[in-house]
Amino acid sequence: AQTVTQSQPEMSVQEAETVTLSCTYDTSESDYYLFWYKQPPSRQMILVIRQEAYKQQNATENRFSVNFQKAAKSFSLKISDSQLGDAAMYFCAYRAWKNAGGTSYGKLTFGQGTILTVHP
Amino acid sequence: NAGVTQTPKFRILKIGQSMTLQCAQDMNHNYMYWYRQDPGMGLKLIYYSVGAGITDKGEVPNGYNVSRSTTEDFPLRLELAAPSQTSVYFCASSSGLSNEQFFGPGTRLTVL
Repeated sequence: AQTVTQSQPEMSVQEAETVTLSCTYDTSESDYYLFWYKQPPSRQMILVIRQEAYKQQNATENRFSVNFQKAAKSFSLKISDSQLGDAAMYFCAYRAWKNAGGTSYGKLTFGQGTILTVHP
Repeated sequence: NAGVTQTPKFRILKIGQSMTLQCAQDMNHNYMYWYRQDPGMGLKLIYYSVGAGITDKGEVPNGYNVSRSTTEDFPLRLELAAPSQTSVYFCASSSGLSNEQFFGPGTRLTVL
């Protein structure tokens, strides 16, 4: 079974600085997707960035970028120029391309989350 | 376009009571999911559906039931509420297996 581990329960950063959130995962699959979701106090789950495992290039979305190391099964999120609105719980998530039966239903496997605090 | 909506936002149940959590989406998505989020944890899949009339169990289905009679609606039923079902419940939908899942705002359920 796939597992996702976020080893940093909490992180903090000064406004305008850069922070990196860590994520490792375990899978025997070669094709899969990885995601970072943001959950602010409103509880709404917001997709921040996604990475397809077959793509060597790291995904970027404005101030958010990832460092995807497939061999090491590592998927970290870098937030540049941190803003107060970035404060939230961040979840790393994995989705298989196909499950063992050859079909896939898109199930997301989540890590435990990292609470990010941004100091003014 | 409301996206994914969930009702109610909050609910307190007594042990042994039953209730249905409602989920609806107006994006014509075939795939719908129910997750639960326990305090300080990530989300875990309860049930999912790949289209009207087709549902299946996820990781933590015990104590729950679902139905999918229309593309739009995917209600989650708790038959005999237990304290272990105290959680935040999220419904999500997507248009395809490789596409983004859109989440509803969640329902906070407390069983006392």
